[in-house]
Amino acid sequence: ETGVTQSPTHLIKTRGQQVTLRCSSQSGHNTVSWYQQALGQGPQFIFQYYREEENGRGNFPPRFSGLQFPNYSSELNVNALELDDSALYLCASSLMGGGVTEAFFGQGTRLTVV
Amino acid sequence: AQRVTQPEKLLSVFKGAPVELKCNYSYSGSPELFWYVQYSRQRLQLLLRHISRESIKGFTADLNKGETSFHLKKPFAQEEDSAMYYCALTLYNNNDMRFGAGTRLTVKP
Repeated sequence: ETGVTQSPTHLIKTRGQQVTLRCSSQSGHNTVSWYQQALGQGPQFIFQYYREEENGRGNFPPRFSGLQFPNYSSELNVNALELDDSALYLCASSLMGGGVTEAFFGQGTRLTVV
Repeated sequence: AQRVTQPEKLLSVFKGAPVELKCNYSYSGSPELFWYVQYSRQRLQLLLRHISRESIKGFTADLNKGETSFHLKKPFAQEEDSAMYYCALTLYNNNDMRFGAGTRLTVKP
């Protein structure tokens, strides 16, 4: 077991609502990355948090925002939900410093927007 | 911009046959390449990375900078290799990881 946990596992929201997804990183990791995986697609990078600050962002609008806490856990917030936001949201934690290291993924949160 | 292309969405082979999952990439720097695998009902996990030059579960992948490819190979496929395989790329010291769309490998008995 990798130790990265996400909550909730499934979620149904109505268009226009807001949602918060949570991720607990693996012990010893200081970096959390979030990905959106639409059906039939590979994960798409949303953003990364390192030491509580955003450290890189993919091609997602500002209504996708995040936080990282002192214990390195993280939240992904999505405002004004749209139907196309329906996807599996993955969180991955890693240890930054000294180059690229392996990212360990959570099991994902399946978000359905109706 | 970095981009990863996996041209085959589906790949089916018989047990014991060789298998090659293709991955091509475009990049604007010096990339690190990875293969991730997702078995049924399990989370995405790292299979191998080019920098370590190791063989995991009999799989190998060689980075060909001339052809910008990082194909995953195994000489004798096993039924337990059936899974979704994703090729991924990141620039050194940039943990923005870009994934391909994935290839679903089915190994038939």
